[in-house]
Amino acid sequence: DGGITQSPKYLFRKEGQNVTLSCEQNLNHDAMYWYRQDPGQGLRLIYYSQIVNDFQKGDIAEGYSVSREKKESFPLTVTSAQKNPTAFYLCASNMDRYNSPLHFGNGTRLTVT
Amino acid sequence: RKEVEQDPGPFNVPEGATVAFNCTYSNSASQSFFWYRQDCRKEPKLLMSVYSSGNEDGRFTAQLNRASQYISLLIRDSKLSDSATYLCVVNWDNYGQNFVFGPGTRLSVLP
Repeated sequence: DGGITQSPKYLFRKEGQNVTLSCEQNLNHDAMYWYRQDPGQGLRLIYYSQIVNDFQKGDIAEGYSVSREKKESFPLTVTSAQKNPTAFYLCASNMDRYNSPLHFGNGTRLTVT
Repeated sequence: RKEVEQDPGPFNVPEGATVAFNCTYSNSASQSFFWYRQDCRKEPKLLMSVYSSGNEDGRFTAQLNRASQYISLLIRDSKLSDSATYLCVVNWDNYGQNFVFGPGTRLSVLP
């Protein structure tokens, strides 16, 4: 079955540590995205990538970094520079064409103490 | 700031009821529209795309009014399993960075 796999599901880290969240898709989608969701708020875009080896900052990119070395993979690193990293992180993908909806992975819940 | 706003909720309705959600968007040039449902502590899942002519999928009907810049979702014969948060999503111009999510409206269907 095609889909988007995020790992791990839960992640706990100490403040000051970098952490990398994994996102892999086998839908052959061109574009991939990282969103952050905080309680009671809408999803906010961190980074997105429309093709391999290219990515763009979203609305809240500060303190995050990404890479897109393969079409299937779009890992997100939460660095120690991110002031409030505790959140629910969602990876998504879609075809790069008109009216293509986003498909989401099952998310990673990151807690930093 | 481009915005997508939804009914604040929560909506608590009995099983079998009909419930309607509304969503308004600020950018008149918006191109694509979607409804997602999100269960507690899970990822959003696509419920339906919204087309200009309106569309229906079983008990769910979506309408788009471009002149008034709003989208609606109607759920008929509510089931307990419909309990979730419903997210309105608008894409301003079909580019990836321009998906904008509403805050969601929570629905609880009661036995």
